Amino acid sequence: ETGVTQTPRHLVMGMTNKKSLKCEQHLGHNAMYWYKQSAKKPLELMFVYNFKEQTENNSVPSRFSPECPNSSHLFLHLHTLQPEDSALYLCASSPAGSGQFFGPGTRLTVL
Amino acid sequence: KNEVEQSPQNLTAQEGEFITINCSYSVGISALHWLQQHPGGGIVSLFMLSSGKKKHGRLIATINIQEKHSSLHITASHPRDSAVYICAVRWTGNQFYFGTGTSLTVIP
Repeated sequence: ETGVTQTPRHLVMGMTNKKSLKCEQHLGHNAMYWYKQSAKKPLELMFVYNFKEQTENNSVPSRFSPECPNSSHLFLHLHTLQPEDSALYLCASSPAGSGQFFGPGTRLTVL
Repeated sequence: KNEVEQSPQNLTAQEGEFITINCSYSVGISALHWLQQHPGGGIVSLFMLSSGKKKHGRLIATINIQEKHSSLHITASHPRDSAVYICAVRWTGNQFYFGTGTSLTVIP
């Protein structure tokens, strides 16, 4: 248990659906991250938020839309996804200058 | 190009064996993170270090800044150590860059 929670844990959606992933931490961390993990590939950084401000967007397609309403919550809004977007989506948080604490991930399947 | 390479990619060991997993990176870093990922996805932080050596239980992590290399050692390995071990490095800012992981299986 790292103190970072993610919901849902599993999600199956069609290509025309709209869904959202949620991440929550009450650790007082300043930074929050979304990662994508596909089979046999390194973790891919998608978005970084520092103090609720987006500081990184690693060329992620616009069908992924992040939202950080406050320093404890991070969302990833999904719409018109493709089957190749099926992956494990991991949220992490970190205090300044320290290592990252990961959530359990959301296993996403796009049909 | 900033790269993080781990070796071996896959490792099978007998229970009780001493295990070493290696991580090399291409340019100077501010910190290196060793992580453990169990089947099902959960990732746990093992160590974060910027120099020297750290020990926690049966796990030991070392880093050689000059050689741009880190090792994770597991003494007296146990089947519950079976997992993917991931090395991540931080160059600047808050971003970490990840290796592809080493999949470890410890056989009873």
